[in-house]
Amino acid sequence: GAGVSQSPRYKVAKRGQDVALRCDPISGHVSLFWYQQALGQGPEFLTYFQNEAQLDKSGLPSDRFFAERPEGSVSTLKIQRTQQEDSAVYLCASIRDSNTDTQYFGPGTRLTVL
Amino acid sequence: GESVGLHLPTLSVQEGDNSIINCAYSNSASDYFIWYKQESGKGPQFIIDIRSNMDKRQGQRVTVLLNKTVKHLSLQIAATQPGDSDVYFCAETVLTGGSQGNLIFGKGTKLSVKP
Repeated sequence: GAGVSQSPRYKVAKRGQDVALRCDPISGHVSLFWYQQALGQGPEFLTYFQNEAQLDKSGLPSDRFFAERPEGSVSTLKIQRTQQEDSAVYLCASIRDSNTDTQYFGPGTRLTVL
Repeated sequence: GESVGLHLPTLSVQEGDNSIINCAYSNSASDYFIWYKQESGKGPQFIIDIRSNMDKRQGQRVTVLLNKTVKHLSLQIAATQPGDSDVYFCAETVLTGGSQGNLIFGKGTKLSVKP
């Protein structure tokens, strides 16, 4: 079956622009996670949804970052007034339900802020 | 192009040898651990997992060992193949009330397999 998909795969933004990154989780997966991965580093947690509820947003680096999942399926990560330090790969992962099922990752969106 | 493995520790092995990748985890309360591999330009791919009530788990050509006393995790790959050349990450999490929380990833190790 289809895995987690993300779009766009690559995004170049000028400093100060707003961007929106999309994640389509595996169909029926309840939980969805966003991670940020800087070059040469491991992914770092940003935020977590269970269905449409955002249960943890402790990893969002600033109030310029905003995530939503209004219908409990597709999620959008929005970054306002992008800065150069926002350049990273943004990964989305989903889990079938809230037990020990493994987090399945999408291919990521590589954001470059010029 | 850019590489997810840039500046990471590298383990070089000969094709056919066994590989051991080590990871020190940070949270003594973590009770679920996962090994992922990541190819440049792609998301992390699940390899094997282990819960804290176990100290060893085997998969196909891979074995994960967990030492909770020293907070150490290792991944053993038998008969390493060139296709195993990737960046490997360990990840830990705490299962609170049966729900999987966010993953905390280690720094990663780049495995390079020489034919």
